[in-house]
Amino acid sequence: SQQGEEDPQALSIQEGENATMNCSYKTSINNLQWYRQNSGRGLVHLILIRSNEREKHSGRLRVTLDTSKKSSSLLITASRAADTASYFCATVPNSGGSNYKLTFGKGTLLTVNP
Amino acid sequence: NAGVMQNPRHLVRRRGQEARLRCSPVKGHSHVYWYRQLPEEGLKFMVYLQKENIIDESGMPKERFSAEFPKEGPSILRIQQVVRGDSAAYFCASSPGSYGNTIYFGEGSWLTVV
Repeated sequence: SQQGEEDPQALSIQEGENATMNCSYKTSINNLQWYRQNSGRGLVHLILIRSNEREKHSGRLRVTLDTSKKSSSLLITASRAADTASYFCATVPNSGGSNYKLTFGKGTLLTVNP
Repeated sequence: NAGVMQNPRHLVRRRGQEARLRCSPVKGHSHVYWYRQLPEEGLKFMVYLQKENIIDESGMPKERFSAEFPKEGPSILRIQQVVRGDSAAYFCASSPGSYGNTIYFGEGSWLTVV
């Protein structure tokens, strides 16, 4: 599997429920970033979590990072129909000369039904 | 509060023509990146530039593709003699530095080759 791989590939929930998306990666990272993309639009940056951090919050978003398992999760609480989008995690490596290069997974398509 | 500005948003080209995509980074950002997104895929790194310099073009096809970020003016991604396989969304991103920084994306330029 590729670096920054999300699961599930698709998630459908009802408004008000929580949504959890997971991301796994392979190599040592400097940081991991979560983005949202609405259909046909650009990427909106959600949260950056550094390798020495375990958890970060931003509004209804909670991101965790477990470097021992090389995994991260994005939790969206009290979801709204407007949260419907694709969510991507992207990693920045910690080594070599490529510590600027984001490696994306294929994303999780979240559908929040009203 | 201007973010990363890309134009055109949508571009249609016939096979063999040239496509020229422009990107103005966030004001004050001197690091620019181009990524490509194929349908149903995550973004793939193409090239990283600083003012007047190409730092890393390892993700860019060797032929027909070129990028520049001149001292004055926007960054340009140029695709010569386009083929159908070039149809994709091309995203520009910028950051204030190269290491450990949040990377901000534009809305993308959606190229269709007919």
